[in-house]
Amino acid sequence: EVQLVQSGAEVKKPGESLKISCQGSGYSFNTYWIGWVRQMPGKGLEWMGIIWPDDSDTRYSPSFQGQVTLSADRSVSTAFLQWSSLKASDTAVYYCARRKATAGRDAYDIWGQGTMVTVSS
Amino acid sequence: DIQMTQSPSTLSASVGDSVTITCRASQNINSWLAWYQQKSGKAPKLLISRASSLESGVPSRFSGSGSGTEFTLTISSLQPDDFATYYCQQYNSYSGTFGQGTKVEIK
Repeated sequence: EVQLVQSGAEVKKPGESLKISCQGSGYSFNTYWIGWVRQMPGKGLEWMGIIWPDDSDTRYSPSFQGQVTLSADRSVSTAFLQWSSLKASDTAVYYCARRKATAGRDAYDIWGQGTMVTVSS
Repeated sequence: DIQMTQSPSTLSASVGDSVTITCRASQNINSWLAWYQQKSGKAPKLLISRASSLESGVPSRFSGSGSGTEFTLTISSLQPDDFATYYCQQYNSYSGTFGQGTKVEIK
């Protein structure tokens, strides 16, 4: 079965760092783009960025550039989203999703279950 | 950055109704548009890609049309399982901007 499994919910304080994960299985993880999407409480979907696990080529939304870092570890078929200093406004559910085509433009066909990140003092 | 404007934000309808959601892009995105369904507390589900291509397993009552800057999602005969929030997404480039979402609720 093709799937993305994300790490569990996190509760952090402002200023702390965090790295969440997204592990793929059932397909060739290295040769599909993985995107990250934020959903703040009661709000819509926001595209954050995308990474090509094979060489870690990364593109960010201007809204998230410099605020987060995307990375990947090919050896364990896992993509990561990290923050160096969390803010209360980072409280949200974060989804990873696989881009459908291995090359070229396409939609996101496989989604992780989401990771809830709560930042509160 | 390409902006996506979706309307309406909320739509009240009854089972059996036909409903249409519109999505407009701030610039030409050809047919690089997808539609997703999201239910409360769940990940989005891809319904349609390339503006009109129905994903495997998605009921045929869902259809998409459009190209360039104007797109529509139509649900031809609303079923109880269809009450959810729907998002369009452009993927003309590496970016993937979403529309604001349309909540389809029971009238």
